Amino acid sequence: AQSVTQLDSHVSVSEGTPVLLRCNYSSSYSPSLFWYVQHPNKGLQLLLKYTSAATLVKGINGFEAEFKKSETSFHLTKPSAHMSDAAEYFCVVSALGQAGTALIFGKGTTLSVSS
Amino acid sequence: GAGVSQSPSNKVTEKGKDVELRCDPISGHTALYWYRQSLGQGLEFLIYFQGNSAPDKSGLPSDRFSAERTGGSVSTLTIQRTQQEDSAVYLCASSLRVRPPRDEQFFGPGTRLTVL
Repeated sequence: AQSVTQLDSHVSVSEGTPVLLRCNYSSSYSPSLFWYVQHPNKGLQLLLKYTSAATLVKGINGFEAEFKKSETSFHLTKPSAHMSDAAEYFCVVSALGQAGTALIFGKGTTLSVSS
Repeated sequence: GAGVSQSPSNKVTEKGKDVELRCDPISGHTALYWYRQSLGQGLEFLIYFQGNSAPDKSGLPSDRFSAERTGGSVSTLTIQRTQQEDSAVYLCASSLRVRPPRDEQFFGPGTRLTVL
């Protein structure tokens, strides 16, 4: 079975400082992993995805994540936070069902950015 | 091109009534997914379609929930005899294919259902 755990429900940073959102996964298969972002009253948007190619994945808006199999982690980072990064972030693992795929979402991490 | 659209954007209903939620996926996407986002529960998978068939109904919370997809396009999620615990945002997503599990799922804006 697949599962994903986001280690922090809320992260607060100052503008211009680094961002780290932590995620651990569990998967019986070689997983596909994603980070999605949800801004208030807006739909979910894909930030980046890992699909067994390069372990360091670059996404939109300066975000990146590193797949570490030994640590079963897929933490999301950004060198310098911007006010517009304030949103909820979801770490996601793809779940292989008998005949298809669904996404298993973490509980989410709310990122607050202060000036 | 147009993204995934859902209607209505908001629905308020009385306990015991039936509701229908609609999803229009991106044209050409064969896979369609329904999720529910509840306060305190996060996002949970409900059901997915490959074309018009639904091989995986494991996420539907009860037999009051059903979904269909016609013409490989529009999907309707129906909740019968709604209960207050059904209140949530219902999200629809589509992707080009079901397998391999690497295709990005594109999400609609959701339908916010409130059961009084």
